[in-house]
Amino acid sequence: DVVMTQSPLSLPVTLGQPASISCRSSQSLVHSDGNTYLNWFQQRPGQSPRRLIYMVSNRDSGVPDRFSGSGSGTDFTLRISRVEADDVGVYYCMQGSHWPITFGQGTRLEIK
Amino acid sequence: EVQLVASGGGLVQPGGSLKLSCAASGFTFSTSWMSWVRQAPGKGVEWVANINQDGSGEYYVDSVKDRFTISRDNAKNSLYLQMSSLRAEDTAVYYCATAMGGYWGQGTLVTVSS
Repeated sequence: DVVMTQSPLSLPVTLGQPASISCRSSQSLVHSDGNTYLNWFQQRPGQSPRRLIYMVSNRDSGVPDRFSGSGSGTDFTLRISRVEADDVGVYYCMQGSHWPITFGQGTRLEIK
Repeated sequence: EVQLVASGGGLVQPGGSLKLSCAASGFTFSTSWMSWVRQAPGKGVEWVANINQDGSGEYYVDSVKDRFTISRDNAKNSLYLQMSSLRAEDTAVYYCATAMGGYWGQGTLVTVSS
């Protein structure tokens, strides 16, 4: 199975400051069809996960442009340009390029 | 508006069975791969099973193979998860979702305990 390793696991951030979460996979996430199926999810307290980014860098509808995704191969990053109070929660990366689908351990973002 | 409403969770004894259902609306269910994903209390997210559009292809995480069965009824816009030989470690909130996580339901809690 592909192991997804996120860092940091805890991320205290001051309001208005940027934040960055790393996600590394144990093997390349380039699928045989040429696409890279790496998604990012936000889970606010008490809510279901919500997808923010799909296929590395595509923002889902309604996601603020403060959120961006980048990376390739085995190394990916989610960036928040200016953290707001509403961003508190746990962030997960997920790979869908190889069976079984696997998630990172999650990164807990909190306001300092 | 897309809605995925999961139901059927509850308390079950170890070794018991339970069937979860998910009612889908607001998107073309019959052309969508679908998933069940779970989250143990206070833990991370784990993908459990996928099913293709017509139900002819099913995929499972190793820990539930031969115990869980995913199925669907496109005429009823519904997704199911039949769970048997349940273990304490299957205790979790179970979410139905579209296969790449674009849409998620609210989840239903399954507790396996004597």
